[in-house]
Parts: sequence; structure tokens; C-alpha cells
Amino acid sequence: DQQVKQNSPSLSVQEGRISILNCDYTNSMFDYFLWYKKYPAEGPTFLISISSIKDKNEDGRFTVFLNKSAKHLSLHIVPSQPGDSAVYFCAAFTGGTSYGKLTFGQGTILTVHP
Amino acid sequence: DVKVTQSSRYLVKRTGEKVFLECVQDMDHENMFWYRQDPGLGLRLIYFSYDVKMKEKGDIPEGYSVSREKKERFSLILESASTNQTSMYLCASSLVDRRNEQYFGPGTRLTVT
Repeated sequence: DQQVKQNSPSLSVQEGRISILNCDYTNSMFDYFLWYKKYPAEGPTFLISISSIKDKNEDGRFTVFLNKSAKHLSLHIVPSQPGDSAVYFCAAFTGGTSYGKLTFGQGTILTVHP
Repeated sequence: DVKVTQSSRYLVKRTGEKVFLECVQDMDHENMFWYRQDPGLGLRLIYFSYDVKMKEKGDIPEGYSVSREKKERFSLILESASTNQTSMYLCASSLVDRRNEQYFGPGTRLTVT
């Protein structure tokens, strides 16, 4: 049962254009959402997050949008740069347990062409 | 800066061998986690620990065990490695009051032949 889904395995974008990565979830108990970025041979690094009480969070070139009614979030990167080429994981957080559980999507490989 | 280190970047083991993967964090985090990453499946939680000597099963604990004897160190053990345990293994840690912010190590690519 995949509670967090990234339906696009890959995305290819030209440098300078917008990259939009999408994520859908099914569990309405998720109260926090995160995006992680992963380069080959490295661990995932935190990129940006959003609480379920907000619908938008912006950090420089990165903006995350949350549509709770649609159970959908998206990450916008503007403008895209070749260094953004990586695997992007969407993750959802459930605070109801003692440790707090992160549930990850399958990942989307972003390639930004010069 | 939080630093999470893993004992090996690449490991090749034979079927049936006992395998130890070690993880160390230097920021006094209470929570530590072991995930495996497989193409098309994302990151899946194997085990986690919220304190020394405490452990809880994640989503896919079968074939694995863990040990946490010291706060900074969390070990993943494959009692008898099998080929379907070939994967990228990632360790993470977090503070108990910042549970949603997990910091990951670089990963260990394990190949079981």
C-alpha cells in the first residue's frame, strides 16, 4: 500500500525553465510534508518542507505547494539549473507515534539540460 | 552541521554470510533509523531506535536485526544475507523534538552474490 506516490519516474527540463515535481498521498493523517534531494552515492538531503496548515512555502528557487483537498503536493524549481539534476523524494510525516514516521515516495529523477 | 557516517560505502558479501552495517551520528540525536532504497520503491524503513537498547520494527524488518548499545551508534545486522537483500542501505538520525527532520548518511551499497 503506497501511501505516498510520485507517478513520474523521471523529468527532463531545459536550464532556466521551471521544473515541477508532483506527489500524491492517501493518508489524511499526514501533518507535515518534505522534499529530499539525492545525488548518486550520497544520502538524501533535506530541501524544503510544508506543514499541513499551510498551502505554500518558498525558499529561494524552491517552492512547495500543498492542496489538501486533492491530497497533492508539488515542488517548483525556478529557474532550473544543471546542478539540480538529482533524484527528488517526497516524504510525508505522521507525528502520532513516539518517533514520528516518514513515509517516502518512489522518487523522481530530474535531469536539467544546459 | 549534523554528520551521519556509515562504515562502508560499498560491500560485497556471499549468500548466507552475517553482515554488519554500522552508523554513527555526532549530534546527540535520540532517534536513529535504517532504510533501504530500491529503484521504484523509494526509501523503506527497516528498523528504528528512539533510545539506547530500544528498537522498533519498521515496515520491512524481516531478515534484519539491529543493535544500539551507545546513543551515537546504530548497527544493522543481516543474520544470513540473501540476494534479495542487495540494496542501498541508508542510516538517518533525528532529535526527539524535531522528529520530522531526519539527517541521512551517505549510504552503503550492499551486493549479495
